[in-house]
Parts: sequence; C-alpha cells; structure tokens
Amino acid sequence: GNSVTQMEGPVTLSEEAFLTINCTYTATGYPSLFWYVQYPGEGLQLLLKATKADDKGSNKGFEATYRKETTSFHLEKGSVQVSDSAVYFCALSRSGGYQKVTFGIGTKLQVIP
Amino acid sequence: DAGVTQSPTHLIKTRGQQVTLRCSPKSGHDTVSWYQQALGQGPQFIFQYYEEEERQRGNFPDRFSGHQFPNYSSELNVNALWLGDSALYLCASSLGPSQGSHEQYFGPGTRLTVT
Repeated sequence: GNSVTQMEGPVTLSEEAFLTINCTYTATGYPSLFWYVQYPGEGLQLLLKATKADDKGSNKGFEATYRKETTSFHLEKGSVQVSDSAVYFCALSRSGGYQKVTFGIGTKLQVIP
Repeated sequence: DAGVTQSPTHLIKTRGQQVTLRCSPKSGHDTVSWYQQALGQGPQFIFQYYEEEERQRGNFPDRFSGHQFPNYSSELNVNALWLGDSALYLCASSLGPSQGSHEQYFGPGTRLTVT
C-alpha cells in the first residue's frame, strides 16, 4: 500500500535559517504529492502540491519538487520566520477516482527569534 | 466563501457511549472524507462519502459509521467508545471523482476526549 516517511522532529531553527524537511514515499503509479501545515489548535491547510514528476510546488516561500527517481518530495524554505512554527505533514493521494490522502507522521518546526 | 465547518469543536464522552460528529463541506464540493488524528500522529483515513454512499474505507472497525445527506453534509458516528478513540477528528471536502481535482480542504476538527 501507499506510505509516506518523513523526518521526525522536532526541528528547531533560528529565524532566517534555511529549512529542509525530508519526505519519501512508496506508492504504485503516479500519485499526487502534498505538504500540509497545521498551526497550533487548528486543522490542516494545504501548503503546496505537485501532481507529476519534476513539478515544483511553491507557496509562501516554501518549495518542494516531485522527484520520481528518488521517490522524494522534500520541503525547503530559504529563510524561516517565527510565524512558520507549526507541524508539517507530507502526504500523497493517487490520481483519479476516489482519493484518500495518506499522511506522514508530521514534523514539528519551531523557529526561535 | 465558507470553508469546511465542523461541530462541535470539543466533546467529552464516557467509555461505552456513542458520539455523532458533523461536517459541512466547502461550497461547491460534493465529496466528504473523515480522518482520525491521534496526538502526535498524522491523520488516518476513516472513510469517504460521495453521492450519499461510502466509497472508500480505511482500517477502522464497524463501530465507525457515517452518513452523507442530500446537501452533501456528513456525519461520523462512533459507537461503544474506547479510550483509544480520543483524538482530533478531521473532515475534508473535495470535488467528485469525475472532476479530477486532487485537493482536499480540511475543517478545524472536533477534539473528542473519552474518559
């Protein structure tokens, strides 16, 4: 079955540091890949997505590239802010038909001033 | 444009009781999925409803059941509650399978505590 593996946190960075959160997946076919963010006490928000190999999703300074050859979708940001402190989930869903989302365990990011 | 709404926000129940959680999808969406998120874990898929029928189901026992109404809103019912059912229950809505969208929009969740 489908699965997502992401680096365990927590990750603590100083403001303006570079962020990388690693994510790899196992899936049949060509899934769509996502990063969701969950701020304290809130539900999930879609941060970015990519639907085919070599696509780059980007939003709010965050980027991730769909790498079919390495089955990876690492999240990066060049300069993090305190407001980026949250839990980040890598996820996938199969393309077409009835789609359920399979999530990783989540990586907690804490950015300190 | 109203997003996904869920009620109630918080709920405390006793072991063995039954609970019903409610969800209204984002305007224009006709598919509703439910997820369980235990503390410190990623969300786990429970089931998905489209055209008032359960279309997919995750690895959850029959104690978990659901319903979708003609207006696309949905309920999640859990019978014979266990302590282990304590979690954040998330509802997500999306467009139907024929419309090709991959995005699910999540509500704020219902925090269920079983004592």
